[in-house]
Amino acid sequence: ETGVTQTPRHLVMGMTNKKSLKCEQHLGHNAMYWYKQSAKKPLELMFVYSLEERVENNSVPSRFSPECPNSSHLFLHLHTLQPEDSALYLCASSQDSLAGGNTGELFFGEGSRLTVL
Amino acid sequence: GENVEQHPSTLSVQEGDSAVIKCTYSDSASNYFPWYKQELGKRPQLIIDIRSNVGEKKDQRIAVTLNKTAKHFSLHITETQPEDSAVYFCAAFLSGSARQLTFGSGTQLTVLP
Repeated sequence: ETGVTQTPRHLVMGMTNKKSLKCEQHLGHNAMYWYKQSAKKPLELMFVYSLEERVENNSVPSRFSPECPNSSHLFLHLHTLQPEDSALYLCASSQDSLAGGNTGELFFGEGSRLTVL
Repeated sequence: GENVEQHPSTLSVQEGDSAVIKCTYSDSASNYFPWYKQELGKRPQLIIDIRSNVGEKKDQRIAVTLNKTAKHFSLHITETQPEDSAVYFCAAFLSGSARQLTFGSGTQLTVLP
């Protein structure tokens, strides 16, 4: 397995359910990200972890809870979501900080398509 | 913070023609501008990027130009092919913003055979 993998690829849940999205990167990168992709909207950054510490939170509702147990794994725990949270959730990783002349290329997973009923 | 506007939202061109997508950004301190391509049902992938110390960069049929004074940058695709059909996202990185790229809203490019 190479690159960034996400599971599940599709998830349907009710508003009272608790579920988790999982992301794993096999690239030896130091930073991992969660993005939300809704139709005809910019990619919205939700969370950034660098060396397992959360760097950015971007005021995401508390019903989304990230977890980064190590530099290769990232989770997004979901609890009491709303229908407007239905979207494609993309995980990404990058080698290191975008500062310092690094290329800053983000490597994305294929996403988890979430539908909240 | 940074704000990125992208136009047009949809673009159709005949195969072999050129396509141009434009983005503007708000913060003059932004210094890194990547472009990502997302084919239907696939993940976004970096296709080209440019830093603020360069005005133009080219890679085969794709090129990016940057006008720092006007705060806009553009993606140019020449000799378009059906496999160029995808959503293209521009982004801007603001130095000091803790690894955060601000993305444009995307352009759906359709290359008609």
